[in-house]
Amino acid sequence: DTEVTQTPKHLVMGMTNKKSLKCEQHMGHRAMYWYKQKAKKPPELMFVYSYEKLSINESVPSRFSPECPNSSLLNLHLHALQPEDSALYLCASRLIAGGPRETQYFGPGTRLLVL
Amino acid sequence: AQTVTQSQPEMSVQEAETVTLSCTYDTSESNYYLFWYKQPPSRQMILVIRQEAYKQQNATENRFSVNFQKAAKSFSLKISDSQLGDTAMYFCAFMIPYSGSARQLTFGSGTQLTVLP
Repeated sequence: DTEVTQTPKHLVMGMTNKKSLKCEQHMGHRAMYWYKQKAKKPPELMFVYSYEKLSINESVPSRFSPECPNSSLLNLHLHALQPEDSALYLCASRLIAGGPRETQYFGPGTRLLVL
Repeated sequence: AQTVTQSQPEMSVQEAETVTLSCTYDTSESNYYLFWYKQPPSRQMILVIRQEAYKQQNATENRFSVNFQKAAKSFSLKISDSQLGDTAMYFCAFMIPYSGSARQLTFGSGTQLTVLP
């Protein structure tokens, strides 16, 4: 089983709203990622959590706030976003074990539109 | 720093034909992993195939196979008997396994493949 789930599938929000994206996996993966992807471009790394601790923040604006409440769940809290933040937000997870099992598996993404 | 280059932004192939997508990379590391991911119109990122640099043998997964040339730093993907469902953006990606707990992927810019009926 290599399933990563993300909710919601689609989200429309105004620039003053607060919303959250959710990502879940039950594969025992202890590394989880948030990516932002614009159309026809590769994913851009935003945040990495390892063992529920934030290990990488790629200079992401503070209007994006990640949270990892437990080893299966990853949230991305959104507040006061800008229209240019409209994109596909992908979650991924990876087993921390060494070797090729460390492949990243992606969720289906949340399509975010900021009006 | 590692870089991944996909020089073909778009390609097309007739159904049932064979197509090869190119990928080159640059690194000073000797141990690394290479991946091909596909992203169909649904935009779900799906792992297609994986290659460990220390393995001489080219990886295969059903109709998908790679030609891994370590000295040339080349990692091309061959799709045999192309099907309409293979229409997708294909991303080549690179990872160093001992680069810390984060293990980041470096992606190429992608190749949009269209399979024509």
